Amino acid sequence: NAGVTQTPKFRILKIGQSMTLQCTQDMNHNYMYWYRQDPGMGLKLIYYSVGAGITDKGEVPNGYNVSRSTTEDFPLRLELAAPSQTSVYFCASSYSGTREETQYFGPGTRLLVL
Amino acid sequence: GNSVTQMEGPVTLSEEAFLTINCTYTATGYPSLFWYVQYPGEGLQLLLKATKADDKGSNKGFEATYRKETTSFHLEKGSVQVSDSAVYFCALRDAGDYKLSFGAGTTVTVRA
Repeated sequence: NAGVTQTPKFRILKIGQSMTLQCTQDMNHNYMYWYRQDPGMGLKLIYYSVGAGITDKGEVPNGYNVSRSTTEDFPLRLELAAPSQTSVYFCASSYSGTREETQYFGPGTRLLVL
Repeated sequence: GNSVTQMEGPVTLSEEAFLTINCTYTATGYPSLFWYVQYPGEGLQLLLKATKADDKGSNKGFEATYRKETTSFHLEKGSVQVSDSAVYFCALRDAGDYKLSFGAGTTVTVRA
């Protein structure tokens, strides 16, 4: 049981380039999330999904897109990368959306936009 | 809106010292409260949680009690080890809100 896996671990992008951050979970969780972590700050929610085919914006969605074609995968797309998107990105999942439910996090992708 | 405030770091301790990290919150509803830990180079792991007032969460020698009257969820450990060196995040999740709201994190370094 690998839990939540993310690729790549680290990436450098030039301004204006695009890339997709991959996220896969093998726990059969319905809910998946993308957060970003900026230095000295807590995590902020970018997008989330409550099931295959259903996604919605979080607190900081601008500059990102997501899709959820399967239960397992929840890729995050960056179009036209900007320096402000330099951050560490974490994918997470949970079985349900109730307030008691634990969210399980992947190891993160560190992105540097130059 | 919901927010979490935790004590600023960094915190540096000697092995076997007592650790406490303060966390207070504001919430519009009745949230669940969490402590997550991030070891160097790794993702976040759940350390403990509490879902209702007066609940005590505990794990790996760490404890935190959900205090509704003071809107607090302070993390404590009686005797820290070098392996406890990490960043600790306090977080809440309110009913009907999909996201976790995180504090800024507290970096703890334990010296041998």
